[in-house]
Amino acid sequence: QLQLQESGPGLVKPSETLSLTCTVSGGSISSSSYYWGWIRQPPGKGLEWIGSIYFSGITSYNPSLKSRVTISVNTSKNQFSLKLSSVTAADTAVYYCARDFHSSGRNWFDPWGQGTLVTVSS
Amino acid sequence: QSVLTQPPSVSAAPGQKVTISCSGSSSNIGNNYVSWYQQLPGTAPKLLIYDNNKRPSGIPDRFSGSNSGTSATLGITGLQTGDEADYYCGTWDSSLSAGVFGGGTKVTVL
Repeated sequence: QLQLQESGPGLVKPSETLSLTCTVSGGSISSSSYYWGWIRQPPGKGLEWIGSIYFSGITSYNPSLKSRVTISVNTSKNQFSLKLSSVTAADTAVYYCARDFHSSGRNWFDPWGQGTLVTVSS
Repeated sequence: QSVLTQPPSVSAAPGQKVTISCSGSSSNIGNNYVSWYQQLPGTAPKLLIYDNNKRPSGIPDRFSGSNSGTSATLGITGLQTGDEADYYCGTWDSSLSAGVFGGGTKVTVL
């Protein structure tokens, strides 16, 4: 059974870089047909797709965050990572990683990690 | 402001049916497939429906999805107290080149 687990600091200072890692277990991150994505949810608000990566390193980012986001993959560790630079209080959210199926107009996320709350505060 | 529009809340008595609408445009729902997610309080979202109307293994057939033009609908029949949750629609937006979600709908069982 595929499982994903986010890890990283729960508190980041304004203007610094948020860094999170997602560890995939029960399956290979090198599976064809699947991307691996990051989604966030500010407290009490809805979901926002941040971006996704294919095991080969091909990335796709939300245009609204693209200038600040970098997603990378480490196939040897079965992990992928998120870096979000120049954070502000508006980046405070629960960050989820998820397997992302994306092909020919079809796009869905399953399964999801449990999520990790990242607070931006000095 | 979400790209996809959902009603903030719907409610019904146990055993009844609710429907949740998700309105978009030709650049998203009109030309791409829709997925639906259930988020129980304090938990991560869970895939309920993908490719407009397909259910993953383990999802009961009380949950159904449908599409018409630039709108999609999630239906829940035989409503149970355990169905109280937030529900989100999602799809790809070809103009934005981005995954997009609705703002979420809270289902309350009266």
